Amino acid sequence: AQSVTQLDSQVPVFEEAPVELRCNYSSSVSVYLFWYVQYPNQGLQLLLKYLSGSTLVESINGFEAEFNKSQTSFHLRKPSVHISDTAEYFCAVSPYDKVIFGPGTSLSVIP
Amino acid sequence: DAMVIQNPRYQVTQFGKPVTLSCSQTLNHNVMYWYQQKSSQAPKLLFHYYDKDFNNEADTPDNFQSRRPNTSFCFLDIRSPGLGDAAMYLCATSRAGQGSYEQYFGPGTRLTVT
Repeated sequence: AQSVTQLDSQVPVFEEAPVELRCNYSSSVSVYLFWYVQYPNQGLQLLLKYLSGSTLVESINGFEAEFNKSQTSFHLRKPSVHISDTAEYFCAVSPYDKVIFGPGTSLSVIP
Repeated sequence: DAMVIQNPRYQVTQFGKPVTLSCSQTLNHNVMYWYQQKSSQAPKLLFHYYDKDFNNEADTPDNFQSRRPNTSFCFLDIRSPGLGDAAMYLCATSRAGQGSYEQYFGPGTRLTVT
């Protein structure tokens, strides 16, 4: 079975400061890794994904995540956050036809 | 643009009165999912269709049913909604065989039970 842990339920950060949202997973099989973002009263949007290859993946809006197999982690980072980054962020793993979500981290960017 | 559409966005129903939520997609994906998401929680998978094959999660209450009449449409039926069924219901799709099962989500339907 697979599981996902997001250690921080809430992360407040000042605008233009860096941020890291932590994600750890457990799985007995190889999995794909995802970060999804959810803005208030909306569905989830894929932010970035790791399937194979380079362990550092980037999104179009400045987020990046690094897959660390030995630590079973997939932490999300952004060097400088914007007000518009305020949202709920879900880390997820996918063995095959299902996606297992972590409990989510609420990122609040303070002006 | 190809997308996942959910109607209505907001639904109010009475305790015990059957309600149907709908989802359609223009992505031509063969897998469709229904999730329940309560406030400040992760989405919880209720069931999914792999083509026409229905896959129910073990802990999904019998009160929740689903239909998929064709590739594009999928419905969630709640036979006798209780106050505890008030939540956001998310539909998602993916294309099996592309390896990643990356899911595409609709905007959700927020269900209120009075």
